Amino acid sequence: DAGVIQSPRHEVTEMGQEVTLRCKPISGHDYLFWYRQTMMRGLELLIYFNNNVPIDDSGMPEDRFSAKMPNASFSTLKIQPSEPRDSAVYFCASSREQGYNSPLHFGNGTRLTVT
Amino acid sequence: AQSVTQLDSQVPVFEEAPVELRCNYSSSVSVYLFWYVQYPNQGLQLLLKYLSGSTLVKGINGFEAEFNKSQTSFHLRKPSVHISDTAEYFCAVSYILTGGGNKLTFGTGTQLKVEL
Repeated sequence: DAGVIQSPRHEVTEMGQEVTLRCKPISGHDYLFWYRQTMMRGLELLIYFNNNVPIDDSGMPEDRFSAKMPNASFSTLKIQPSEPRDSAVYFCASSREQGYNSPLHFGNGTRLTVT
Repeated sequence: AQSVTQLDSQVPVFEEAPVELRCNYSSSVSVYLFWYVQYPNQGLQLLLKYLSGSTLVKGINGFEAEFNKSQTSFHLRKPSVHISDTAEYFCAVSYILTGGGNKLTFGTGTQLKVEL
């Protein structure tokens, strides 16, 4: 199994531009999570999906952030317009179940820099 | 609200020495506890988990953790560290939501630096 695949690994963009982060979860995993990691705030859960349906988006910082999961093998996190304070590492993770017995499998992350 | 506290942001240790990374949680309900490890430029990987049963849990790479309910702690230990253990370690707690499902909350992480 290839694991959770994220692209791009690095993204540098200017303030005001649209940014799209992509994620391919592990096949057969019903849950997909988007996390953001910064030095100041640590790991924050932004949103998660169950069977392609968004379940909890209470962690999405503001309307500039949106996430979609059009099918079981693909998800996007979009920031429009981007701001310097959005600079962070964004992780996608998937799990077979949401239950505590099912660990999260993380991708290697996308390091976003907004100048 | 549930929270996880990792008291040490950085822990330097010499190779082959023992190490303990501390984790405390706050919860009024039953929780499930995890340690994840993050190597440079990678995502997090599960190191070990406590769900129930024996309070001493063994994980990968020789790590173990002990669940202490009275002290609400879940400290991670290794009797002899190796250079390759240099990484960031995250404690996490999962608790059941009243509406069903569960939520995983991470601590702020502890950077373990193993030196020769």
